[in-house]
Amino acid sequence: DAKTTQPTSMDCAEGRAANLPCNHSTISGNEYVYWYRQIHSQGPQYIIHGLKNNETNEMASLIITEDRKSSTLILPHATLRDTAVYYCIVRHPRGGGSNYKLTFGKGTLLTVNP
Amino acid sequence: KAGVTQTPRYLIKTRGQQVTLSCSPISGHRSVSWYQQTPGQGLQFLFEYFSETQRNKGNFPGRFSGRQFSNSRSEMNVSTLELGDSALYLCASSAGQGSEYSGYTFGSGTRLTVV
Repeated sequence: DAKTTQPTSMDCAEGRAANLPCNHSTISGNEYVYWYRQIHSQGPQYIIHGLKNNETNEMASLIITEDRKSSTLILPHATLRDTAVYYCIVRHPRGGGSNYKLTFGKGTLLTVNP
Repeated sequence: KAGVTQTPRYLIKTRGQQVTLSCSPISGHRSVSWYQQTPGQGLQFLFEYFSETQRNKGNFPGRFSGRQFSNSRSEMNVSTLELGDSALYLCASSAGQGSEYSGYTFGSGTRLTVV
């Protein structure tokens, strides 16, 4: 799986948009970008994923650059409950045994302030 | 539908003992993965099972083992516990068919403390 680089921490004011960047310059053509988050002492939670087009769901939006070397997760109106560690993961969803896992980096600790 | 159920939620064991943790995946999911989370190493992949077969294994010593039953429920076992095995053990459930989504749903974990 391609390696990712994320800032260690970020702050955001409640009600404002939170933009979390992720660099994945070694991503290959068939690898997807996945975002998960982990609220303290809970299991990680899937947020969104994409290949090359921008994606949006009820939780967030994912913007992937045209060269696919970086992406941004956008929480449009952050709330206190969005305070969590956010993980950007690049992987191929199909293929052999080594693909049947998620490789987590350190992630970004997003703190939403009142 | 019911989520991923892990039991027990908390466990305290003594060094040298062994422990068995249980995971019940989402109904219909055939893949179960296990992860260890510690403050120092973060989230690390242990192993993954699909239809009772181990498909992938992380870089952990042989003291860590697992299995999956015909109903997709999974157990992981740690023998000869060490202090460093204290961690949050997370189980993740997936359809496991290699679809684009391949989303993983995690349980709340078992917090193991070795004293």
